[in-house]
Amino acid sequence: DAGVIQSPRHEVTEMGQEVTLRCKPISGHNSLFWYRQTMMRGLELLIYFNNNVPIDDSGMPEDRFSAKMPNASFSTLKIQPSEPRDSAVYFCASSTGQGRGYTFGSGTRLTVV
Amino acid sequence: KNEVEQSPQNLTAQEGEFITINCSYSVGISALHWLQQHPGGGIVSLFMLSSGKKKHGRLIATINIQEKHSSLHITASHPRDSAVYICAALNYNTDKLIFGTGTRLQVFP
Repeated sequence: DAGVIQSPRHEVTEMGQEVTLRCKPISGHNSLFWYRQTMMRGLELLIYFNNNVPIDDSGMPEDRFSAKMPNASFSTLKIQPSEPRDSAVYFCASSTGQGRGYTFGSGTRLTVV
Repeated sequence: KNEVEQSPQNLTAQEGEFITINCSYSVGISALHWLQQHPGGGIVSLFMLSSGKKKHGRLIATINIQEKHSSLHITASHPRDSAVYICAALNYNTDKLIFGTGTRLQVFP
């Protein structure tokens, strides 16, 4: 298995632009997580899905952030409009449940200028 | 106060030294993960523990559920062990992780 696949690896965009991050979880994993990592706040959970259904989005910073999981093999995290303070590394992770098989993607490093 | 605390924040060692990183948590957990992140790199789960001890190569992780404490030990440390080590508390019901602040380890030859 290729693991959790994220794209793009790096994204540089101008303030105000829309940014879409993509994630393909490991086949058979029924939980998917979006995390954000910054120097100031470390790793934070943004949202997680179970069987494609959003379960907890309490970590989503504000309405500019949205996430979808249209099917078991694909999820997106969208920021519209982006702001410089959104600059961070965004990780996607998937698991089979009860913490088993917890696997992180390589992350997307987002820079908003 | 963070729900998951790690110590030390930074650690330097000479190659070959025995290393211990500690993690204390205040939340009820189902299990605890130890994660490794190399500079500019992705995150790898080293261990998931719900009780006792686990060993993988030179790495040993222990957990005391009653005391809400876990330790990660590295025996015969090597420069390639240089990374950030993060403990994360897991709730089985939600599979959500609550992360510690991380310990930055540097091992010099």
